[in-house]
Amino acid sequence: NAGVTQTPKFQVLKTGQSMTLQCAQDMNHEYMSWYRQDPGMGLRLIHYSVGAGITDQGEVPNGYNVSRSTTEDFPLRLLSAAPSQTSVYFCASRRPRGNTIYFGEGSWLTVV
Amino acid sequence: ELKVEQNPLFLSMQEGKNYTIYCNYSTTSDRLYWYRQDPGKSLESLFVLLSNGAVKQEGRLMASLDTKARLSTLHITAAVHDLSATYFCAVDYGDFGNEKLTFGTGTRLTIIP
Repeated sequence: NAGVTQTPKFQVLKTGQSMTLQCAQDMNHEYMSWYRQDPGMGLRLIHYSVGAGITDQGEVPNGYNVSRSTTEDFPLRLLSAAPSQTSVYFCASRRPRGNTIYFGEGSWLTVV
Repeated sequence: ELKVEQNPLFLSMQEGKNYTIYCNYSTTSDRLYWYRQDPGKSLESLFVLLSNGAVKQEGRLMASLDTKARLSTLHITAAVHDLSATYFCAVDYGDFGNEKLTFGTGTRLTIIP
């Protein structure tokens, strides 16, 4: 069972570079989301999607872009990386009206 | 703005003891989650509480929800070393199924032999 798969697991970027964190799920879940976790803190919602073609902003969307062209994939783009975006990023998914939220293994991003 | 507060933030306890972690939240919600996170790992779902008065138990952990008081508790009974981890509560303030979780800052639990 693959569940929610995130790539890459580790990445180092230079300030100003752009990159895409990939997230894929094989459970046919409509709902997907991205969170970031900073040291000593809980997760904060960046963007979420309730289905293909539909996305919306969460609590901390600035500097990030998302799209949802398929049910399976929900990539997160960093447009111009900044040191403040150094964090651990988690992707999550859930089926409609489901109670269990499935999290990926996380992507550790360092911006220097 | 929904705020979720956990306390204590750090908890060091001896094996065999009982303790409770508290999760207070500021805005009405009837869906609350508890997660466990080990260092460098993802989140492991422990409990989903969906209604006022809900109580769930798994092993040495028991969670409850009081939506009127906007309070959830995670009770640890006869702690063992394997329970050492960081525990998060999260409140879902989105429309049902439109998951928009607000997390507490976590409680770092250390069980001392």
